[in-house]
Amino acid sequence: DVVMTQSPLSLPVTLGQPASISCRSSQSLVHSTGNTYLFWFQQRPGQSPRRLIYGVSDRDSGVPDRFSGSGSGTDFTLKISRVEAEDVAVYYCMQGTHWPYTFGQGTKLEIK
Amino acid sequence: EEQLVESGGGLVQPGGSLRLSCAASGFTFSSYWMHWVRQVPGEGLVWVSRLNTDGSFTDYADSVKGRFTISRDNAKNTLSLQMNSLRVEDTAVYYCATFGINWKSDVWGQGTLVTVSS
Repeated sequence: DVVMTQSPLSLPVTLGQPASISCRSSQSLVHSTGNTYLFWFQQRPGQSPRRLIYGVSDRDSGVPDRFSGSGSGTDFTLKISRVEAEDVAVYYCMQGTHWPYTFGQGTKLEIK
Repeated sequence: EEQLVESGGGLVQPGGSLRLSCAASGFTFSSYWMHWVRQVPGEGLVWVSRLNTDGSFTDYADSVKGRFTISRDNAKNTLSLQMNSLRVEDTAVYYCATFGINWKSDVWGQGTLVTVSS
C-alpha cells in the first residue's frame, strides 16, 4: 500500500498567520493517464470530511481561496495563507492513484 | 442538493453481521462510483471499499476482504455494505462517499457508528 506521511501532525497557528502542511507518498502518484490523484480533506470536529483540493491544486467549489495546494510526484503541500478560526480542523492528504486509496495520518490545526 | 444518508449502524457482537445502507439524492446516482470509508473515533480515515457505476466491479481493503460485500441498487439510489464475521477492530464510523466523474465532486454522508463488542 502507498504510505502517505504528513508533517507536522500538530500545527498551532496564530490567527491571521499562514500555515503549511507537507504530505509525502511512498510511491509516485502520477497515474498511467498522466493525472495525479492527490487530494486534501478537512474534517472539523464532529463533522464528516470535506474535500478542499483535488488533482493536487484545484480548489473544490466553495473553498476559500486562502487554501492552495501544490506539489508533484511524491511531495505535496497544503497552504493556508491566513488562518481563520473556522479553519480549526484535522487535515488529511489522500491518494487516489493506487488501490487501496490511502490517507495521511492527519494534521490537527489549532489556534495558538 | 447532493446528499448521502447512511443507516444501519449499531451494536453487534463479535462474529455477527450488520448491513449498512446509504441513500443518495440530488445527483445521478447511477453515474458515479461509490465508496465506503471508515474512521475509528479519534483516529484517521481508512478506505474500505469501492464500487463502479453498474456494480460489476468491486474492490476491498485487505482487512475486510472476504467478510464485507459492497453493492448498489441504481433503481432505488441505494448503496449497501454487508458486513459479516465482524471483529472488534471493525468498530468505527462508516461513511459512504462519492466523488463524481473523474473525482470532480465530493459528497459524504454523515456517517453511521458500528460498534462490535461483547
